[in-house]
Amino acid sequence: EPEVTQTPSHQVTQMGQEVILRCVPISNHLYFYWYRQILGQKVEFLVSFYNNEISEKSEIFDDQFSVERPDGSNFTLKIRSTKLEDSAMYFCASSDRRGLQETQYFGPGTRLLVL
Amino acid sequence: GESVGLHLPTLSVQEGDNSIINCAYSNSASDYFIWYKQESGKGPQFIIDIRSNMDKRQGQRVTVLLNKTVKHLSLQIAATQPGDSAVYFCAETGDFQKLVFGTGTRLLVSP
Repeated sequence: EPEVTQTPSHQVTQMGQEVILRCVPISNHLYFYWYRQILGQKVEFLVSFYNNEISEKSEIFDDQFSVERPDGSNFTLKIRSTKLEDSAMYFCASSDRRGLQETQYFGPGTRLLVL
Repeated sequence: GESVGLHLPTLSVQEGDNSIINCAYSNSASDYFIWYKQESGKGPQFIIDIRSNMDKRQGQRVTVLLNKTVKHLSLQIAATQPGDSAVYFCAETGDFQKLVFGTGTRLLVSP
């Protein structure tokens, strides 16, 4: 069964450093998302991406964050200068077509720890 | 109110019992709802979904009920098994494509 994959599974970084989290969405999906989950809390939407551009972003997704689809398979989340409060699980998700009534499938996540 | 940190609502059941997990949503404009299961250290796993033009949908051992009048969603798991132990989240479509997740319920199944 096709699945979303993410690398790395764990990332430890120093505050102020840049990190890039990588995702390979399900191959025929066209819509891509990043979510995060601070330990013990609910999953929060960060950004959605379609047709090589951001379609929606949350207030969490400030200028320190960016997303990119550098080739036909990868989808990345970059945090330019990490802060302690960026420590969380980051989940990538993808769906087949836009919007309503189409299930988003999640990857296993990257656990980011900022020291 | 919201649960913060590790203080998730918890439902403890015996193996073989039926479980009912509830969720209240706030956006009356939402028209698609999903239940996800999340095991420790893993990503949310799709269980079942329902559209707003339905009030009940059944899957294998799971049933979702939607009451739009009171903006309430429930997940019923029949013959609960130890492998069902996880945190269960409901999610709704908010604006456009983003999912808005509920705070989650921890299900503990005792053998």
